[in-house]
Amino acid sequence: NAGVTQTPKFQVLKTGQSMTLQCAQDMNHNSMYWYRQDPGMGLRLIYYSASEGTTDKGEVPNGYNVSRLNKREFSLRLESAAPSQTSVYFCASTQPQGVDYGYTFGSGTRLTVV
Amino acid sequence: AQSVTQLDSHVSVSEGTPVLLRCNYSSSYSPSLFWYVQHPNKGLQLLLKYTSAATLVKGINGFEAEFKKSETSFHLTKPSAHMSDAAEYFCVVSKRNQGGKLIFGQGTELSVKP
Repeated sequence: NAGVTQTPKFQVLKTGQSMTLQCAQDMNHNSMYWYRQDPGMGLRLIYYSASEGTTDKGEVPNGYNVSRLNKREFSLRLESAAPSQTSVYFCASTQPQGVDYGYTFGSGTRLTVV
Repeated sequence: AQSVTQLDSHVSVSEGTPVLLRCNYSSSYSPSLFWYVQHPNKGLQLLLKYTSAATLVKGINGFEAEFKKSETSFHLTKPSAHMSDAAEYFCVVSKRNQGGKLIFGQGTELSVKP
């Protein structure tokens, strides 16, 4: 089925460990995004990639890095995890053309840092 | 700068009564606006979107929203609540000319009493 696939779905890390969250889309979308969701704060943009080969910081980029590996894949890396990074992470993609376009979200990665 | 404010963090209604979830936006140009729903421990589902066509937008599951430029509002309504409508709802604005970034409101939790 076409869509956005995130792996893993769940992860527990110890403080200081590193890990990479993977995201892949098969809809040939140019733009991809990483959001984190925390209670009472909605979803906040961490990083985005408007097109293959470009990445830009969002609202809350500190502690994260990203790689737009190719048009399909956009990974999020935590180099040294901290308890403040405990959150649910969502990847999304879109093709922003014209006035009518939609976004597709992955099912999320629930990360706990202890 | 674009922003979204959801005026209620929690709304409680009885089954069969109307639902009103309020959203105000701020945008320097004509925005694209969305409502997403998130059921517990689930991903995000698009309810409806406004992209400068008709100001009254109909979505899935009987929801609709009206874009009012003079009031900078995009309130979500449903004539009769169902128990399955209990979820968190997000009002979202798109920054179309900046890589299509989505800016989320803080969310409104809807409870439906039997």
